[in-house]
Amino acid sequence: QVQLVQSGAEVKKPGASVKVSCKASGYTFTSYDINWVRQATGQGLEWMGWMNPNSGNTGYAQKFQGRVTMTRNTSISTAYMELSSLRSEDTAVYYCARDDAFDIWGQGTMVTVSS
Amino acid sequence: SYELTQPPSVSVSPGQTARITCSGDALPKQYAYWYQQKPGQAPVLVIYKDSERPSGIPERFSGSSSGTTVTLTISGVQAEDEADYYCQSADSSGTITVFGGGTKLTVL
Repeated sequence: QVQLVQSGAEVKKPGASVKVSCKASGYTFTSYDINWVRQATGQGLEWMGWMNPNSGNTGYAQKFQGRVTMTRNTSISTAYMELSSLRSEDTAVYYCARDDAFDIWGQGTMVTVSS
Repeated sequence: SYELTQPPSVSVSPGQTARITCSGDALPKQYAYWYQQKPGQAPVLVIYKDSERPSGIPERFSGSSSGTTVTLTISGVQAEDEADYYCQSADSSGTITVFGGGTKLTVL
């Protein structure tokens, strides 16, 4: 079945970077954009940006410009989101989601930033 | 920056109709999408392109659009529909995606 499976939970110190993976299966990975969304505990959904897995083109929300990098490895149908210069406010669940409709979501990856 | 506005909460009794609105200046130009999120789970798409329902979503979920407001309607609400609901759309240029703040649906 069509699914996105994300990497496991991470604990990072302030100032560090985190790289979350999102492995696609059940469809042609390069045919649909991948979006990244985060959600702090008790808060709403926040869009971070998108990536076209075919071209590698990306678009980032202004809030994350300069700190986020979205990449992919087409040979293993996997998208990545790397967030640098982490601070406590980046503690959240990070999701990948497919296409403009966000029709398929990963299970989420908890990233905790704590000293 | 572009914003989508939703009511923080809506409450209905079982069997009644729940309506959740989402307002934004670019909604006449851009499609809206709706997601249901239950505690501890990833969001699930329930309406796409304003009013289309994905396969597997019950018929009691419907969407509509009028001017700068889109509405998610849940007819014959069931206890299992209690969740947070988020609208999503793009700004007028189509390059920036935005989520509404979310609406907590309580089934009394």
